[in-house]
Amino acid sequence: ETGVTQTPRHLVMGMTNKKSLKCEQHLGHNAMYWYKQSAKKPLELMFVYNFKEQTENNSVPSRFSPECPNSSHLFLHLHTLQPEDSALYLCASSQAPMGDGYTFGSGTRLTVV
Amino acid sequence: GENVEQHPSTLSVQEGDSAVIKCTYSDSASNYFPWYKQELGKGPQLIIDIRSNVGEKKDQRIAVTLNKTAKHFSLHITETQPEDSAVYFCAASKGAGGGADGLTFGKGTHLIIQP
Repeated sequence: ETGVTQTPRHLVMGMTNKKSLKCEQHLGHNAMYWYKQSAKKPLELMFVYNFKEQTENNSVPSRFSPECPNSSHLFLHLHTLQPEDSALYLCASSQAPMGDGYTFGSGTRLTVV
Repeated sequence: GENVEQHPSTLSVQEGDSAVIKCTYSDSASNYFPWYKQELGKGPQLIIDIRSNVGEKKDQRIAVTLNKTAKHFSLHITETQPEDSAVYFCAASKGAGGGADGLTFGKGTHLIIQP
């Protein structure tokens, strides 16, 4: 384990379902991130949280809704997804502002059917 | 915004030989350049990084070089071993790797070590 834990590891959901991805970091970091990893594409930054405040939203559709209740936990709430949203969703954390120790979790493999 | 190009997409080398992966970036304000290794079923793991005030950094069999003028940086792996087989990603950031900026990644290089 890297110190960043993501659950669940795998998720299959229908287009009308609502589900949530969870991320927890045990590294004492104060910045957390959501990335999307699709086949043959670069990792795409979705959301950035610094000290629990969202500082970046890279034009992500509203069917993805992040939540950061404290500096150790990050959620990604999903609703009415599309099949093209199927991907590996990765959470990362780092120590802002220098970003030392930028660490990824193992990801949640999401399949939308 | 930042754009990172990575080459090659696939690299096959004989065990014991060296492997070199190259990346270019577009934003001259970028100042932090990490490299990640991703094995099957796992998230990317940091293997080495370099900041813009340094031209080269080495850690055992792995080295990274940075040319700020040309805006490119490279990963060098010497004496390759089967466990080096994985997908490698380069990345760039303006915020020293964190803070208000996330990382912008290249598309990855699938490194295959032939026995």
